Amino acid sequence: GEDVEQSLFLSVREGDSSVINCTYTDSSSTYLYWYKQEPGAGLQLLTYIFSNMDMKQDQRLTVLLNKKDKHLSLRIADTQTGDSAIYFCAERYPGGYNKLIFGAGTRLAVHP
Amino acid sequence: EAGVAQSPRYKIIEKRQSVAFWCNPISGHATLYWYQQILGQGPKLLIQFQNNGVVDDSQLPKDRFSAERLKGVDSTLKIQPAKLEDSAVYLCASSSPAGGNQETQYFGPGTRLLVL
Repeated sequence: GEDVEQSLFLSVREGDSSVINCTYTDSSSTYLYWYKQEPGAGLQLLTYIFSNMDMKQDQRLTVLLNKKDKHLSLRIADTQTGDSAIYFCAERYPGGYNKLIFGAGTRLAVHP
Repeated sequence: EAGVAQSPRYKIIEKRQSVAFWCNPISGHATLYWYQQILGQGPKLLIQFQNNGVVDDSQLPKDRFSAERLKGVDSTLKIQPAKLEDSAVYLCASSSPAGGNQETQYFGPGTRLLVL
């Protein structure tokens, strides 16, 4: 089936770490993505991970993948007010050519 | 490098009217996608083009939605007639193979449609 689930809201204090979680259903997905959407804007690719990897780090971002549990997480270190946005998890659907299935998004609110 | 361009940015119409959206992908990108993003949800793929051919339109409501990509570059998405439930943001994205099997989709700013 096609279903990606995320928690809807996360609030963190500036300077703390944020962890956004996602579960997906298709174990044969090859790539998993994190996109960021700011108000009134399109989606910006943050990072992606290939399914044969457990972890990927890119500056303040760390992606963890647990294939057994079909769980993906995005950790943002030293969260800043500019990180406030909606974060979407997406899986590349194995049944289509580069078709992405998105979760509903997690709204991250960063407060002082 | 210029990003994906979309117009108009906003559109308000009454139900049963028709509307069209335009997308200009990143230069050289062979694949173009149209997504519908309803408020509070993630984007849902409506149609995908490879050059000027349709790869996937399984979730396109073909009784009212149509899309074309003439000459394999720009694309238009049309709704005729519009329903209240078509109120959403319509996102266009494009991609091109960059080595390996990974192909990043780059998104435009979207067109916000409100149907009254």
